[in-house]
Amino acid sequence: EAGVTQFPSHSVIEKGQTVTLRCDPISGHDNLYWYRRVMGKEIKFLLHFVKESKQDESGMPNNRFLAERTGGTYSTLKVQPAELEDSGVYFCASGDGSSYEQYFGPGTRLTVT
Amino acid sequence: QKEVEQNSGPLSVPEGAIASLNCTYSDRVSQSFFWYRQYSGKSPELIMSIYSNGDKEDGRFTAQLNKASQYVSLLIRDSQPSDSATYLCAVNGDYKLSFGAGTTVTVRA
Repeated sequence: EAGVTQFPSHSVIEKGQTVTLRCDPISGHDNLYWYRRVMGKEIKFLLHFVKESKQDESGMPNNRFLAERTGGTYSTLKVQPAELEDSGVYFCASGDGSSYEQYFGPGTRLTVT
Repeated sequence: QKEVEQNSGPLSVPEGAIASLNCTYSDRVSQSFFWYRQYSGKSPELIMSIYSNGDKEDGRFTAQLNKASQYVSLLIRDSQPSDSATYLCAVNGDYKLSFGAGTTVTVRA
């Protein structure tokens, strides 16, 4: 069974540019999560989808971040315009909802210069 | 106060010894607790989940939970060099996970 995949693995952009991160959850997992780890800090929750619906987006830093999950399959996280403090590793995780277990993808390392 | 706190590392143990990792959490309503292992540059890998007070064993790993003390621990028995990694404690509240900063474990051959 394929795990959670994320693309790209690494992105370097300039301040003010736009970046879109993609996450493909484990097949059949309705729950999809985005997390972020900035330098020296803990992994922090961003938001939670159940199928295509946003269940909880309390962790989204501001309105420069937009997450979508059209069709309830893969998800995208767009940062527009990017700021220096957005640099970090963005993780996606998925779960089937039968338990609270979440399985993480390899992450996208975002560097904003 | 941080939501989830882990014992500061790094933790260095000789091969074959027991590595003991501790975690405390602040939210009393938390119901699910997890340990993830993360190798450098890799994704966090779920290695243990525990939901009830007491011990849960899986191979060389034992998780212990004490909800009254808001404490969860992970023991790694017969530590191997391949266990060298950062171990993350995560606590579930309303589906979202709160993570500790992690404890880096080095197993010396």
